[in-house]
Amino acid sequence: EAGVTQSPTHLIKTRGQQATLRCSPISGHTSVYWYQQALGLGLQFLLWYDEGEERNRGNFPPRFSGRQFPNYSSELNVNALELEDSALYLCASSSGTEIAKNIQYFGAGTRLSVL
Amino acid sequence: AQKVTQAQTEISVVEKEDVTLDCVYETRDTTYYLFWYKQPPSGELVFLIRRNSFDEQNEISGRYSWNFQKSTSSFNFTITASQVVDSAVYFCALRDSNYQLIWGAGTKLIIKP
Repeated sequence: EAGVTQSPTHLIKTRGQQATLRCSPISGHTSVYWYQQALGLGLQFLLWYDEGEERNRGNFPPRFSGRQFPNYSSELNVNALELEDSALYLCASSSGTEIAKNIQYFGAGTRLSVL
Repeated sequence: AQKVTQAQTEISVVEKEDVTLDCVYETRDTTYYLFWYKQPPSGELVFLIRRNSFDEQNEISGRYSWNFQKSTSSFNFTITASQVVDSAVYFCALRDSNYQLIWGAGTKLIIKP
């Protein structure tokens, strides 16, 4: 069974551009989570989607946005890129049932470099 | 406030030594979940264990063991007879009442041959 897949693996952009990152969850999982892992800042929660709806959002500006498609895959969009957006962006998925205790399974991430 | 503290930034041991990674958490919730994840150099976070607040039994899985103590709000992770392949960054996390994972800063574990 395929795990969480993310694309692209690496993405290089310049300041002011837009970046689109994609995530396909494990088959049967309806929840998708996005995290930013910047150097020295640890894992920061970005967004949580479940059944196509945004359920929660971390402390990030509105230029970080996303969506979840009917097939539960997800996109993260980052507009007006800034140098400090350079980071590893991790996607995770989980089953929608028993949200309180469910386990998040992670993809390998997209490394975004903003020049 | 919910918080997870991994005070050890980096630990370096020689292969076959035992090593314990510390995790201390803060929460006002009576029901909560704790997790450990491993992040090897490839970057992908690998789930290791989940523990709920009502289950204080220690758990052992091969060379890995976990010691959960509510009295000290700790959920420590021990690797017995460490191997070079255990080298990674290990994260402890707490599931809060909003279903978010609150992450510790991670402990980088270096196992020298």
